[in-house]
Amino acid sequence: GQQLNQSPQSMFIQEGEDVSMNCTSSSIFNTWLWYKQDPGEGPVLLIALYKAGELTSNGRLTAQFGITRKDSFLNISASIPSDVGIYFCAGSSALIQGAQKLVFGQGTRLTINP
Amino acid sequence: DARVTQTPRHKVTEMGQEVTMRCQPILGHNTVFWYRQTMMQGLELLAYFRNRAPLDDSGMPKDRFSAEMPDATLATLKIQPSEPRDSAVYFCASGLTRTSVTGELFFGEGSRLTVL
Repeated sequence: GQQLNQSPQSMFIQEGEDVSMNCTSSSIFNTWLWYKQDPGEGPVLLIALYKAGELTSNGRLTAQFGITRKDSFLNISASIPSDVGIYFCAGSSALIQGAQKLVFGQGTRLTINP
Repeated sequence: DARVTQTPRHKVTEMGQEVTMRCQPILGHNTVFWYRQTMMQGLELLAYFRNRAPLDDSGMPKDRFSAEMPDATLATLKIQPSEPRDSAVYFCASGLTRTSVTGELFFGEGSRLTVL
């Protein structure tokens, strides 16, 4: 089946540093999404991308839908302690009776040293 | 504050026992998804409902798992009999057909299942 390769698996950074993570796929996707999961919680949508080449920002977060439609990246600028968590990319290429079947990456665990 | 509600939050049971997890989607949402999260496999889609009708359960082991929506405010995921390999966090997510098409799902806090 479809798989997403997300990297890095984990990051240890200092507060204030910028963060970059990415996802690649061997398949073409028509939607890329980035979710964040806090400990003991479910994933929460951060950014959604629907067009190849699209660059979208949400506060300190910026994500891009790759031109080839097989990759996406997420950048976080000036990291703060509340950015700690697991970030998941998710993609979809298929419509199942009106709903997209999302495939999730393995996640990037972000740890921030104050 | 609208949110997806899942019960129980934690469940420890013995192999062979029946387990039922419940989900209350956000009022007005017409799509419900069940996901399973493990360290090895990450987030896997188990089943999906739209307007209470099951549309895709290809990710679910059919012999022991079953998913239903008795009404618009309740979705259930049942495992019978449970096995240690079923230990995982099970998430329910809901959305509207329009946003579900774009992938914008709202997740519950999950039910952590441990099968001994």
